[in-house]
Amino acid sequence: DAGVIQSPRHEVTEMGQEVTLRCKLISGHNSLFWYRQTMMRGLELLIYFNNNVPIDDSGMPEDRFSAKMPNASFSTLKIQPSEPRDSAVYFCASGEGTVMNTEAFFGQGTRLTVV
Amino acid sequence: SQQGEEDPQALSIQEGENATMNCSYKTSINNLQWYRQNSGRGLVHLILIRSNEREKHSGRLRVTLDTSKKSSSLLITASRAADTASYFCATDAFSGTYKYIFGTGTRLKVLA
Repeated sequence: DAGVIQSPRHEVTEMGQEVTLRCKLISGHNSLFWYRQTMMRGLELLIYFNNNVPIDDSGMPEDRFSAKMPNASFSTLKIQPSEPRDSAVYFCASGEGTVMNTEAFFGQGTRLTVV
Repeated sequence: SQQGEEDPQALSIQEGENATMNCSYKTSINNLQWYRQNSGRGLVHLILIRSNEREKHSGRLRVTLDTSKKSSSLLITASRAADTASYFCATDAFSGTYKYIFGTGTRLKVLA
């Protein structure tokens, strides 16, 4: 298995534009996490899915952010409209099982720059 | 938020020395995990220790867990330049739902 695959690796966009980040889970995994990493705030959990269902989205900053799992192996994180303060590295991670008993496998991240 | 905190924030040692990093957390947990992140890369899982375990080994890694003190330590023995990275602890904190909460990380630099 190639691991968790994120695309694009880098994204530069102008303020106000829509940004879509993509993530392919490891086959057989049923937990999906989106994290955001910045120097100031560290690693923040944005949203957690289990079996395609959002379990906890309390970390999603505001309504401009939305995440979906259209199927068991794929997820998107959308920011509309984007703002400069959204600039960060966004990671998705997948796991087999639930939070209480599994390790998370991370993708390489998408570095987002909003200018 | 129920966040783990690692200390020290940064650590610089010579190759061959041991490196010890500590993690403290706030609430009861089911498990605690340690991850490594190389610059510009994603996090890589190192080891998971459950709340009923006190110590766990994996190669040159040794993790201890003291649930009474809500703390864990990661020891890397005989460090190598390739161990240079940031190390994070993650706890399955409960805050409405269970979720992985990561600490702020320890930046380890191993000098050759």
